[in-house]
Amino acid sequence: DAEITQSPRHKITETGRQVTLACHQTWNHNNMFWYRQDLGHGLRLIHYSYGVQDTNKGEVSDGYSVSRSNTEDLPLTLESAASSQTSVYFCASSEGKTSGGPDEQFFGPGTRLTVL
Amino acid sequence: AQSVTQLGSHVSVSEGALVLLRCNYSSSVPPYLFWYVQYPNQGLQLLLKYTSAATLVKGINGFEAEFKKSETSFHLTKPSAHMSDAAEYFCAVSDRAAGNKLTFGGGTRVLVKP
Repeated sequence: DAEITQSPRHKITETGRQVTLACHQTWNHNNMFWYRQDLGHGLRLIHYSYGVQDTNKGEVSDGYSVSRSNTEDLPLTLESAASSQTSVYFCASSEGKTSGGPDEQFFGPGTRLTVL
Repeated sequence: AQSVTQLGSHVSVSEGALVLLRCNYSSSVPPYLFWYVQYPNQGLQLLLKYTSAATLVKGINGFEAEFKKSETSFHLTKPSAHMSDAAEYFCAVSDRAAGNKLTFGGGTRVLVKP
């Protein structure tokens, strides 16, 4: 069955370190998204991609970067981790429909990141 | 810009009682609307989606939602709560003009009392 996976599931790091969170989907979806989930804020969009070599900033992109070198993967990098980036991170993907109904997103299990 | 408001960050219901979760949206164009559920320590799972084919949408696990354009609402209901319904529920909106990005409400955590 097709799926979307994230690794690691839990990560503890120190302030100032570079951290990369992996996201891999086997749906062959065009669109991929990264969100962070914080108490009281719901899910907020960090970065997204509509295809290989395409990346776009979301509403909370400062301090994060992504790259899309193939269809399956969209790694999220924290260039210099800060305590404010302690959060749960979710990756999602969608087919990328341009007609014929809504383009529902499928979510990974999440990565819990703690920055000390 | 789109926005989604979920009234009530926490809802407590008794097992067997009606579950009602409120969602209001703002969108400049007819939107697509979704309800997702998140069980503890898991990702989000799609409950149901509004596609404009019918205003009453049935989803998984006995949930349904009604789209009311005049009220800009998409409230989620379940006639009889089960202990397994304890989770956090998110309403989300997207429109094609915004590149299919989702805008989420703040979420409503449901507690089911025996």
